Amino acid sequence: SAVISQKPSRDICQRGTSLTIQCQVDSQVTMMFWYRQQPGQSLTLIATANQGSEATYESGFVIDKFPISRPNLTFSTLTVSNMSPEDSSIYLCSVVGLYEQYFGPGTRLTVT
Amino acid sequence: GESVGLHLPTLSVQEGDNSIINCAYSNSASDYFIWYKQESGKGPQFIIDIRSNMDKRQGQRVTVLLNKTVKHLSLQIAATQPGDSAVYFCAESANSGYALNFGKGTSLLVTP
Repeated sequence: SAVISQKPSRDICQRGTSLTIQCQVDSQVTMMFWYRQQPGQSLTLIATANQGSEATYESGFVIDKFPISRPNLTFSTLTVSNMSPEDSSIYLCSVVGLYEQYFGPGTRLTVT
Repeated sequence: GESVGLHLPTLSVQEGDNSIINCAYSNSASDYFIWYKQESGKGPQFIIDIRSNMDKRQGQRVTVLLNKTVKHLSLQIAATQPGDSAVYFCAESANSGYALNFGKGTSLLVTP
């Protein structure tokens, strides 16, 4: 199974600032995704992080707000830009392993 | 757009009883279905999956049933234990892709 770590695990940020979340996997993976889980809600796919090319964003999510980097097959970052209180959520990365899709522990973001 | 939803937001069962969590989906192209368990403060944990060419799949104490005719998915947990208390999500993907569409979640509470 793939072991996924995320940094930071949680943060409290002021509105208007930006936060970059890191996702590190202990093995090379082809498919990597970023999800958002708003308080008390389910998970919503933000984008697919593509290695060597621009991320593929889902409807309602744009690159200017959520820029993503994927420099290699074990690492990705998601930046939440110009934050507002509505961005308060848990942000999770996931990877597709040999048999299943694994999720990281999440980054709990609170915007004040 | 297409949606995945759950019939009940909360489910309370007694320890030792069997639990059944239901999920409806609407995308006719869905061909892969997964159940995840999410404990407080953690990322979703894979429980069991099933592909659309199957009706039933069993794991350790869990069974997933798929009814493609009515677009319904269920998770059965046998001899429910206190450690099973968590939020359970169904998720689906279409066209053999890996981007997951999550349902709303059911909170399972196991009482002694």
